[in-house]
Amino acid sequence: QQPVQSPQAVILREGEDAVINCSSSKALYSVHWYRQKHGEAPVFLMILLKGGEQRGHEKISASFNEKKQQSSLYLTASQLSYSGTYFCGTVGRDNFNKFYFGSGTKLNVKP
Amino acid sequence: DTEVTQTPKHLVMGMTNKKSLKCEQHMGHRAMYWYKQKAKKPPELMFVYSYEKLSINESVPSRFSPECPNSSLLNLHLHALQPEDSALYLCASSQAGTSDYNEQFFGPGTRLTVL
Repeated sequence: QQPVQSPQAVILREGEDAVINCSSSKALYSVHWYRQKHGEAPVFLMILLKGGEQRGHEKISASFNEKKQQSSLYLTASQLSYSGTYFCGTVGRDNFNKFYFGSGTKLNVKP
Repeated sequence: DTEVTQTPKHLVMGMTNKKSLKCEQHMGHRAMYWYKQKAKKPPELMFVYSYEKLSINESVPSRFSPECPNSSLLNLHLHALQPEDSALYLCASSQAGTSDYNEQFFGPGTRLTVL
């Protein structure tokens, strides 16, 4: 039930771009993205809904391919503050009550 | 106020103790959640309250007992825990939605150690 994320970890230099992928074995209603810095609580980034609606931060972009049951988070011109672990979260189309965080992707941005 | 507060920050308890975790929010959110997070793992949903009613119980052992006394407060009562229950317990809240959980605001968590 838990979505699978790739890559598991990525190291970037400031200014470089990264893509984080989230894949589910179930049909999805929505995909959520959160970032968690070490020792801190997860912080909401974005929601992508079936049908194309998006809610979230303007500087973060993401896509949601309903047919492939996948979502990707795009981090462009990365900054040191982007470092942390990124989790996708999914709500299944067949059961709106279930929310699962993905396996996580650890991003380390270096100067 | 866009903050979710949790007390205590740290808790050490023996397997025979009874303790409670507390969570509070004043954002007018009507959905509140408990998550358990082990080191280097994603948070796992334990319970969901919607309009002060328990709507989701993710097959959590009965030694964890949630309570929602009012729309701003969420408690997690702990009794006879096992060492494997040691983890970070996160509380979150969101506007009660019909289907998509909405944006969840997380508290800083309670770091629980069971001896």
